Amino acid sequence: QVQLVQSGAEVKKPGASVKVSCKAFGYTFTSYDINWVRQATGQGLEWMGWMIPNSGHTGYAQKFQGRVTMTRNTSISTAYMELSSLRSEDTAVYYCVRVTCSGSSCYVRENWGQGTLVTVSS
Amino acid sequence: SYVLTQPPSVSVAPGQTARITCGGNNIGSKSVHWYQQKPGQAPVLVVYDDSDRPSGIPERFSGSNSGNTATLTISRVEAGDEADYYCQVWDSSSDPNWVFGGGTKLTVL
Repeated sequence: QVQLVQSGAEVKKPGASVKVSCKAFGYTFTSYDINWVRQATGQGLEWMGWMIPNSGHTGYAQKFQGRVTMTRNTSISTAYMELSSLRSEDTAVYYCVRVTCSGSSCYVRENWGQGTLVTVSS
Repeated sequence: SYVLTQPPSVSVAPGQTARITCGGNNIGSKSVHWYQQKPGQAPVLVVYDDSDRPSGIPERFSGSNSGNTATLTISRVEAGDEADYYCQVWDSSSDPNWVFGGGTKLTVL
C-alpha cells in the first residue's frame, strides 16, 4: 500500500527555519517525483516546488526561491522540505505529494501525505 | 503567471446538478485536473486530464474543457459531495509550474 508519512506539527518563531520530512512506503521511491504543496487555514492550495528523487534535481516556485530547499535520502526513501526565514504568513499545512505525469500534464493521482502543520508565532 | 479563476461558492439542492467552472486564458489547450477536499482531509483527485475519472470515483463526476473555461459537473448531487473543489493545471514553461484555482465551496442545500 502506497503511503507518504510526514513528520509531526512544528511551532517556530519568526526568522527560524523548519524542515519537514516525508517518508515513502509501498513503492520505489526513486520512480516518482515528489512535490510540495501548502495550504493556509481556510485558504486554497499553493504549489511550492518539485524534486526528482532519482537525481535530486529540484525546481521551486519563484515565490519561494532563496527560502526553500528540497532534498532527499534515497537510502531511507525520505524527502525533505526546508523553509527558512519563516514569517507568520508561512503558517500552513504542508503536504508532500507523489506526482503522476501523463502526456503533457502532471497531477496528484492518489498520494498525499497526511500534512504537517507549521505554525509561525512569536 | 497563469491564473485560474473559480467562483467562491456554488449551492445546489440534493439530486440536482452542480457545475463548477474554472476560467483561464486558453485553458482549453491545457489538461485540467479537479480535486475534492473535505474539512480536515487531504484533497482527492476526482477528474484528471479534463474528463477522465480515477477508479473509485462515481460516474456522477464528469469534466469538460474548451476555450477559456473548464467545468466540473456533479450529477445527482448528494450530501456527501459537500466539499471544496480545486482545479489545477501544469505548465512546465510557466512559473509556478503547477497552478491551482482558488477553490469553490460546494454547499448542498
